Amino acid sequence: DTAVSQTPKYLVTQMGNDKSIKCEQNLGHDTMYWYKQDSKKFLKIMFSYNNKELIINETVPNRFSPKSPDKAHLNLHINSLELGDSAVYFCASSQDGGQGGVGTQYFGPGTRLTVL
Amino acid sequence: AQKITQTQPGMFVQEKEAVTLDCTYDTSDPSYGLFWYKQPSSGEMIFLIYQGSYDQQNATEGRYSLNFQKARKSANLVISASQLGDSAMYFCAMREGGFKTIFGAGTRLFVKA
Repeated sequence: DTAVSQTPKYLVTQMGNDKSIKCEQNLGHDTMYWYKQDSKKFLKIMFSYNNKELIINETVPNRFSPKSPDKAHLNLHINSLELGDSAVYFCASSQDGGQGGVGTQYFGPGTRLTVL
Repeated sequence: AQKITQTQPGMFVQEKEAVTLDCTYDTSDPSYGLFWYKQPSSGEMIFLIYQGSYDQQNATEGRYSLNFQKARKSANLVISASQLGDSAMYFCAMREGGFKTIFGAGTRLFVKA
């Protein structure tokens, strides 16, 4: 009964390829996120969706495109992969009370992406 | 401007002793939340403890407590009776009125037997 799950856990691919990472949460949360953790362990938000609407879109190359088919799913598609995209990508979710109430984020296990 | 600062890249503690991991933050928003997460070597991010800016009491969760000093803008994590399994990276994070959460650079804790 994993709360936030991601697939795949590991992804090794060649430069220039297109790949997707899937995320699902069964917590009933209304907000989902994508984070990138670099080799120095720095964690940076990329995107956030609230009730399927994009609410945070940080300075991320437009090769990265999130898609939220429903509240429980947030997928990340990456086009034309580059060496610098190698990182661990975390999905997270939270339940936020209407007027920007502060909700604890629960993270998925991460996807380690290696671009060769 | 860096909003979350963790000044200790690495810390050592003897098993069974208490340890304090420092975190300072900067915000002008009166409503915010502070979080601590643990990341063991296996890589997952584990939520430990939360403190809201309007909370009067310091948060506690088992062996974890958050020493919240609002005027100093600090939110230090205290781990009592350290265990070998506490060896991990620890991240302090802050969320202001919106949905965005900012993480500190982390502190790597080593627990010695």
